[in-house]
Amino acid sequence: DTAVSQTPKYLVTQMGNDKSIKCEQNLGHDTMYWYKQDSKKFLKIMFSYNNKELIINETVPNRFSPKSPDKAHLNLHINSLELGDSAVYFCASTGPHHEQFFGPGTRLTVL
Amino acid sequence: GEDVEQSLFLSVREGDSSVINCTYTDSSSTYLYWYKQEPGAGLQLLTYIFSNMDMKQDQRLTVLLNKKDKHLSLRIADTQTGDSAIYFCADSDTGRRALTFGSGTRLQVQP
Repeated sequence: DTAVSQTPKYLVTQMGNDKSIKCEQNLGHDTMYWYKQDSKKFLKIMFSYNNKELIINETVPNRFSPKSPDKAHLNLHINSLELGDSAVYFCASTGPHHEQFFGPGTRLTVL
Repeated sequence: GEDVEQSLFLSVREGDSSVINCTYTDSSSTYLYWYKQEPGAGLQLLTYIFSNMDMKQDQRLTVLLNKKDKHLSLRIADTQTGDSAIYFCADSDTGRRALTFGSGTRLQVQP
């Protein structure tokens, strides 16, 4: 199937741990994103990569580090997890009309 | 900065039309989008409109854009219980190529 996929779908971990979320798109898009959706469903851009180059880096703690090994993959690594990092993280990629196609989300719970 | 606003909640009866409204502040928005999010799921792109259009129809969905007032609406004809979800309006920042989302409108369809 052509899509944006993310793993894992659910991630439960203790405060202070380091974790990674992976994202892959097989749509041939050049630009990929990470968004965070909080408990009130508010969605906010975190990072954007275009062809492996970082183009957007919003006001996000530097414990969050995106990595793009190639234009089809954009991973998110989070160090020293905090309670406030609990959220749903969505990966997306951009089509020809700037429309964004979203992955299914990764629900991160920090205990 | 950019701002996109929506009302939080709409309740309609099955078979009625639903109209979800959105206002935005960025006059340079090139495209505007409507996304649907069902419980526990990712964001599904429903439709989008180019800023030089004032209307777009796609089956039961009609998008109206008033660029002067920076007002966007989504009309769902013959609303069904399966349309119950959160609907997000978003605009694109063509410079950054990121989407700014509204807070979402929760549509509840009563049988």
